Amino acid sequence: NAGVTQTPKFRILKIGQSMTLQCTQDMNHNYMYWYRQDPGMGLKLIYYSVGAGITDKGEVPNGYNVSRSTTEDFPLRLELAAPSQTSVYFCASRPTGLSHQPQHFGDGTRLSIL
Amino acid sequence: AQKITQTQPGMFVQEKEAVTLDCTYDTSDQSYGLFWYKQPSSGEMIFLIYQGSYDEQNATEGRYSLNFQKARKSANLVISASQLGDSAMYFCAMREGRGGTSYGKLTFGQGTILTVHP
Repeated sequence: NAGVTQTPKFRILKIGQSMTLQCTQDMNHNYMYWYRQDPGMGLKLIYYSVGAGITDKGEVPNGYNVSRSTTEDFPLRLELAAPSQTSVYFCASRPTGLSHQPQHFGDGTRLSIL
Repeated sequence: AQKITQTQPGMFVQEKEAVTLDCTYDTSDQSYGLFWYKQPSSGEMIFLIYQGSYDEQNATEGRYSLNFQKARKSANLVISASQLGDSAMYFCAMREGRGGTSYGKLTFGQGTILTVHP
């Protein structure tokens, strides 16, 4: 089972460049999430989606955009990359309802902005 | 105010001993859930154990158990018979509200690095 797949695994960007972090899941989960993890810190929620066409901001949305055109895919777009966006980005998904269900995480994308 | 507090930046334990990782939380919701995740040096997030606010029994999963003290708002992870492979970062996370209303969003603590010595 593939689960949650993130690409790329690593990327170096120059300040001001843009890029899209890809996330796809094959578990038919309605809920999907994007987190960032700064060095030595916990994860912070950037954006989340409760289904195709529905997205909402999390705790730290500035500088990012998302879209959800299908159940499977939830890409995260960085426009005008800044050094403060250097981080590890995790995509996660979980099924609707069932409170005890954990989020399933991808392996992360390590992004450096120089 | 921090919603999830993990006060131990680092912990050390001898192989085969038990260790407790602390987690306190702050919420005004009556319905919430607490999750523990393990993050090894390779970076992936591995789900360990879940405790619901209405669960009467402390959660257990193999060598992992949760010491849930609702009145004190603490949900400490206990790892019994530590193994070298338990060396990792451990995160406590909280979902406020029921899964349907909170959309399963998690708030994470800052983590505790556990080192298991042979």
